[in-house]
Amino acid sequence: DQQVKQNSPSLSVQEGRISILNCDYTNSMFDYFLWYKKYPAEGPTFLISISSIKDKNEDGRFTVFLNKSAKHLSLHIVPSQPGDSAVYFCAAKYNFNKFYFGSGTKLNVKP
Amino acid sequence: DTEVTQTPKHLVMGMTNKKSLKCEQHMGHRAMYWYKQKAKKPPELMFVYSYEKLSINESVPSRFSPECPNSSLLNLHLHALQPEDSALYLCASSQESGLASDEQFFGPGTRLTVL
Repeated sequence: DQQVKQNSPSLSVQEGRISILNCDYTNSMFDYFLWYKKYPAEGPTFLISISSIKDKNEDGRFTVFLNKSAKHLSLHIVPSQPGDSAVYFCAAKYNFNKFYFGSGTKLNVKP
Repeated sequence: DTEVTQTPKHLVMGMTNKKSLKCEQHMGHRAMYWYKQKAKKPPELMFVYSYEKLSINESVPSRFSPECPNSSLLNLHLHALQPEDSALYLCASSQESGLASDEQFFGPGTRLTVL
């Protein structure tokens, strides 16, 4: 049973608009959450993270929101750019070395 | 150097072959990981090495045998694999500083096909 879920396999957004990628989790023990971005033929690269003691973390165009009561986090990209087109993975952990990944959302930003 | 390298990029092997996947990092990271990823699925953790000792084995079949010769290298030895083992095998490393904020750095993966 997947403990981290990304229910939207794909998302299409116009350049300049906001992209919102969602992630749900089931394990209330998770204390750290991360977003990774993956281009074809490359490994995932770290994008942004948030600790469970926070509800928002911002880095440039990327903001991650955490709603612990709903066990939900989201990644906002504003403004979206064509270079943001990739697969985005949500990940969570409660043990320093054990990461749980969602199945990914493929984002397509149209020029 | 913030790179994790993996060789080979592609590997095709028969069910009776013995082969090895290699992973290398020079970031001074003390934790290294093997993941398996099937198409449209999340990466699944296989093994974790912490300070060159195996700390997590996610009940992986014995036909997969990990090895960590030193803090920079991680191998995955393959023997008598099945066609369903065909997947992308990702290596990752992290600092192991004891902080929850340690993120993982991933290699590009080895695309394995078992005939």
